[in-house]
Amino acid sequence: EAQVTQNPRYLITVTGKKLTVTCSQNMNHEYMSWYRQDPGLGLRQIYYSMNVEVTDKGDVPEGYKVSRKEKRNFPLILESPSPNQTSLYFCASSALAGKTYNEQFFGPGTRLTVL
Amino acid sequence: AQTVTQSQPEMSVQEAETVTLSCTYDTSENNYYLFWYKQPPSRQMILVIRQEAYKQQNATENRFSVNFQKAAKSFSLKISDSQLGDTAMYFCAFSKNSGGSNYKLTFGKGTLLTVNP
Repeated sequence: EAQVTQNPRYLITVTGKKLTVTCSQNMNHEYMSWYRQDPGLGLRQIYYSMNVEVTDKGDVPEGYKVSRKEKRNFPLILESPSPNQTSLYFCASSALAGKTYNEQFFGPGTRLTVL
Repeated sequence: AQTVTQSQPEMSVQEAETVTLSCTYDTSENNYYLFWYKQPPSRQMILVIRQEAYKQQNATENRFSVNFQKAAKSFSLKISDSQLGDTAMYFCAFSKNSGGSNYKLTFGKGTLLTVNP
């Protein structure tokens, strides 16, 4: 089954304790992206990657890091989480667009609470 | 930069009736896509419908249709014969037709739709 998986699905942590949210896709997609969803703000892009070893900042990258060492994986790293990073996080992937649009597939979301 | 505005934070409709969700956007791009995503209580993001800006014909997917007014930068979603399973948060979203650049989706703040029995 084609899918994007995220782990963990739920996480409660404390300020300053480094954490990684993993994202993996099995569709051989080049493009991967992270979004955060906050009430009243919709979803906003954190980082994206066009391919292996190619990453760039989205609209709200502060406090986050990413890496893309393998095509299927795109982990989101919070080196020193703070309470304002409490949010719902989504990973998404798609093939690069050719003549037609390629749908972005979303993971199930990770609910992160930073105390 | 692109912006997407959903002016209705919450809406409700009776089962089997029709409801329209509003969305306006602002962009200087001429080639782009517009989307409606559904987020049920499970939090999964589900693509409901997509519209390509260069197509004048409004997109339709079963009970879901859009009214795309490019000049007015308006993109509303009509849900016909509403069902209880349509209860969800609905997000309007925009994406440039990047041709090799970031495929970022710019989302509105969402409209929470409740379908009442």
